[in-house]
Amino acid sequence: DVKVTQSSRYLVKRTGEKVFLECVQDMDHENMFWYRQDPGLGLRLIYFSYDVKMKEKGDIPEGYSVSREKKERFSLILESASTNQTSMYLCASSFGRGRSYGYTFGSGTRLTVV
Amino acid sequence: ILNVEQSPQSLHVQEGDSTNFTCSFPSSNFYALHWYRWETAKSPEALFVMTLNGDEKKKGRISATLNTKEGYSYLYIKGSQPEDSATYLCALGISEDDKIIFGKGTRLHILP
Repeated sequence: DVKVTQSSRYLVKRTGEKVFLECVQDMDHENMFWYRQDPGLGLRLIYFSYDVKMKEKGDIPEGYSVSREKKERFSLILESASTNQTSMYLCASSFGRGRSYGYTFGSGTRLTVV
Repeated sequence: ILNVEQSPQSLHVQEGDSTNFTCSFPSSNFYALHWYRWETAKSPEALFVMTLNGDEKKKGRISATLNTKEGYSYLYIKGSQPEDSATYLCALGISEDDKIIFGKGTRLHILP
């Protein structure tokens, strides 16, 4: 069964902490994505990556960075967590350029910043 | 900013009834159209990806149609069952790099 695995289901962090959200896929997908989901706003793209060490900003990158050192792993980093980053974070992956078969999503990390 | 509109926002349907909802998108930016089902406490699951005008796809009791010229897609559910209760997300692919823009979803509640 193919999978996208997010390391934590629930996280509580303090304001100002550096936070790492990890995502691993086992499908050899080229593309990986980080979204956040907030009530009334839908899924919004934070960052995405087409290949190892490549990254591109999505619609709401401010306050976030990413790392993709290996093909299977895409990390989202909150440099200094703030309360407005309290949200559900979803990681997804897909095959790659020119091949659109749909995304595979992880189960999400619900982050609370206090 | 490209806008993907889904309607209605929320829908209550009696078990056994059929239903449908709409996704609208700017036709000038079309590359692909995705539908996902997102059940509570689970991950969004891909239902369909459509790329050609006039495409129709079916998966069990769920089907979808696509009109790229006028910029809309319909999702149909025949004979609704309790397990169909979920949020249905539409997403527009705008280029071959597989980046997609999501609508806000239609929340479907099946009433017993």
